[in-house]
Amino acid sequence: DQQVKQNSPSLSVQEGRISILNCDYTNSMFDYFLWYKKYPAEGPTFLISISSIKDKNEDGRFTVFLNKSAKHLSLHIVPSQPGDSAVYFCAASLSNSGYALNFGKGTSLLVTP
Amino acid sequence: IAGITQAPTSQILAAGRRMTLRCTQDMRHNAMYWYRQDLGLGLRLIHYSNTAGTTGKGEVPDGYSVSRANTDDFPLTLASAVPSQTSVYFCASRPSGANVLTFGAGSRLTVL
Repeated sequence: DQQVKQNSPSLSVQEGRISILNCDYTNSMFDYFLWYKKYPAEGPTFLISISSIKDKNEDGRFTVFLNKSAKHLSLHIVPSQPGDSAVYFCAASLSNSGYALNFGKGTSLLVTP
Repeated sequence: IAGITQAPTSQILAAGRRMTLRCTQDMRHNAMYWYRQDLGLGLRLIHYSNTAGTTGKGEVPDGYSVSRANTDDFPLTLASAVPSQTSVYFCASRPSGANVLTFGAGSRLTVL
């Protein structure tokens, strides 16, 4: 049973607008959350993360929000750029389980000019 | 350039054959991982190793084995490949105490 869920397989956004990618998780023991970005024929690359003791983390155009009571996190990209078009994976980990990442199925983001 | 090297980048294999996917990292990371990526299923953990000499099973370990003789290398072996093992395989590593995994570029395996 998948513990990290990304229910939107795809998202299309106009350049300059905000992209919001959502992620839900079922295991309340997860204590660290990450977003990875993946281009075709490349490995996933780390984008941004958040600890469970925080509710927001910002890095340039990227902000991750964590709502622990709802077991939900989201990634906001603003403004969106065509180069942001990629598959975005949400991941969660447990510090006491060796930090192995549990991934969602991914959301394919297309930013159109 | 420091990072993770995976080989081969792509391979077509007959069912029943043995195959080893190689993974080498030069970052001296303690932990290493193997994931497979399948369309619609995301990335699933096959095996992991928290330090040289130890290994553990992930979510989908059946049909795969790993070894960790030293810090740098973490090969993944398919003893007798089956078509359901057609996938893209990613190796990853992580330094002690950190949460972020660094991934290799992947190995695309097709089992016919």
